[in-house]
Amino acid sequence: KQEVTQIPAALSVPEGENLVLNCSFTDSAIYNLQWFRQDPGKGLTSLLLIQSSQREQTSGRLNASLDKSSGRSTLYIAASQPGDSATYLCAVSNDYKLSFGAGTTVTVRA
Amino acid sequence: DVKVTQSSRYLVKRTGEKVFLECVQDMDHENMFWYRQDPGLGLRLIYFSYDVKMKEKGDIPEGYSVSREKKERFSLILESASTNQTSMYLCASRRQGDNQPQHFGDGTRLSIL
Repeated sequence: KQEVTQIPAALSVPEGENLVLNCSFTDSAIYNLQWFRQDPGKGLTSLLLIQSSQREQTSGRLNASLDKSSGRSTLYIAASQPGDSATYLCAVSNDYKLSFGAGTTVTVRA
Repeated sequence: DVKVTQSSRYLVKRTGEKVFLECVQDMDHENMFWYRQDPGLGLRLIYFSYDVKMKEKGDIPEGYSVSREKKERFSLILESASTNQTSMYLCASRRQGDNQPQHFGDGTRLSIL
């Protein structure tokens, strides 16, 4: 059974600092890994999807890396802003099924 | 942009009631999903539909059923609601294929009293 872990569970940084969020998974036979953002009481917003054959994916200030053999992914958010405050979830795909981590809750202090 | 719309943001029902949660997507996606999200347990898959009238059980299907009569609509049914089904319910859809992202609705917070 796929286990997905996100460390730390919570993170608080001053505005302008770079954010580094970690995700690890136990079964490296994945199709892809997806990063999501969730605001309080809301649904999930897809941020990035990295295919298993890719090493990284970028969108604006976001960059996600994938090391499938070691079962790790990292989401970097450059020059954080208060609007980046949210919970960030990673999910790995085996066929159609997504297995989610518990998330990292980020607070960016103005 | 993909739009996944869940019919209610908040819903309060009584134990024993039959409850319907509706989800509609506007991108002609083949695959649709229902999850529930609980503190400490994360997101768990209830049911999955890979096409019209097709469905598969997820990790926690007990006490739930689903209906997919049209491609754009996927309904989750609580046959006889119980208090342990109080939760946040999230619907998602995606295009068929190995590397297609899932897109989520805003969720329905369901309380069973």
